[in-house]
This record gives sequence, structure tokens and C-alpha cells, in this order.
Amino acid sequence: AQSVTQLGSHVSVSEGALVLLRCNYSSSVPPYLFWYVQYPNQGLQLLLKYTTGATLVKGINGFEAEFKKSETSFHLTKPSAHMSDAAEYFCALVGDSSYKLIFGSGTRLLVRP
Amino acid sequence: GAVVSQHPSWVICKSGTSVKIECRSLDFQATTMFWYRQFPKQSLMLMATSNEGSKATYEQGVEKDKFLINHASLTLSTLTVTSAHPEDSSFYICSASRRTGETEAFFGQGTRLTVV
Repeated sequence: AQSVTQLGSHVSVSEGALVLLRCNYSSSVPPYLFWYVQYPNQGLQLLLKYTTGATLVKGINGFEAEFKKSETSFHLTKPSAHMSDAAEYFCALVGDSSYKLIFGSGTRLLVRP
Repeated sequence: GAVVSQHPSWVICKSGTSVKIECRSLDFQATTMFWYRQFPKQSLMLMATSNEGSKATYEQGVEKDKFLINHASLTLSTLTVTSAHPEDSSFYICSASRRTGETEAFFGQGTRLTVV
């Protein structure tokens, strides 16, 4: 069975500090991995994705994530948090021929002034 | 490119009535559309997958007679919540893929349904 686990339902950082949101996955086949951001009462916006190739993936708004197969992880990072980064972040995978997205439970990022 | 629009953004309806939510791909043809439900402070739960011209495939536990999905064209899918009850109140989100097998999905802005 495929699954996505996001450690920490809430992460709080100071403005300018490093952002680290954790995502681990379980998949019997090579997964495609995604990070989405959701602002209140809005849909999801794709931050970045990993399919094949380079394991360090750069996305929008200064975010990046590294696919580590040995650790089954795809953690999201940003060197310096902005107030505008405060939102809900979802890690997701597609791991079989159904192409259905399987979402983690989400992590709410709070940015303190 | 790859814009998905949902309408309405929010709707309030009386218990027992039906509500239709539209999901449109504005600048591409969507062979597959997905409907999700999201409870407050929770993740997205896939309700069903719809392919243009065929019946939707519902996830286990989702009542197909309750949540009617129609994907009549390559740019439009609709979700109708029939005989709505307060427990159907939720945030409903659609997404669309440009072609079968595409890994990236494009999301609508969501519809907040409140049943009173």
C-alpha cells in the first residue's frame, strides 16, 4: 500500500529562519512526489515535483526538496521564511498506474514576525 | 496555462436540496478530473475519478447516488450533491489532468458548501 506521512501537523518558524517540512512515503514502485501549498479557502498550488532524474528539485517561491530513496523521504526546505509562506503544505505521491494523488495529512506553517 | 476554475466558490443551501458544483479547465482539455473533499484542518480525501464520456469511478465509501459526477465534455465536470444534509457541509476541490497518465494535476480554487 502507498502512503504519505508528514511529521508535525504544525511547524512554527521566525521570519528569516530555515523552513523544514518533513515528508516520508511508502511505495512499492518508484513514486512521483509532489509538494502543494494551500492558502485558506483556496485550492492547491503546486510548489514542486519529483518524477525522475535529479533528486534535488527546485520549485517556486524559493522552495526546494530532495528525494532520498534510501530514507524514503522528500523533505521540503526554504532557506529564509517569509510571512507570506504561512499556509498549509501537503506532500503527495503518485505511485501506480491509476495516477491518483495520495496526500499526506498536511503541515500548517506559521511564520512569526 | 493549465487553469482550472470551480464555480461557485461558496454556496449555502437548505437541507434536502441539491447543489451542483462545476469544474472547468479553461485553457486545456482535461481527459481526467478528480473530485476531493476536505474537512476542516484535514487532508484531501479523493471521492471519485471521472473520465470524459464515461462513468465516474468512486472511491470506497463514497455514495455514488449521493454525489453525482458528470464529465460530459473535455473541459467540464460537475459534482451534484443530492438531498444535501448538514453533514455534507465541506470544502470540495476538483483537479484535472491534461492527458491520461500525466502525473501533474491542476486544482480548482475549491467550493465551500454549507448546508443549513
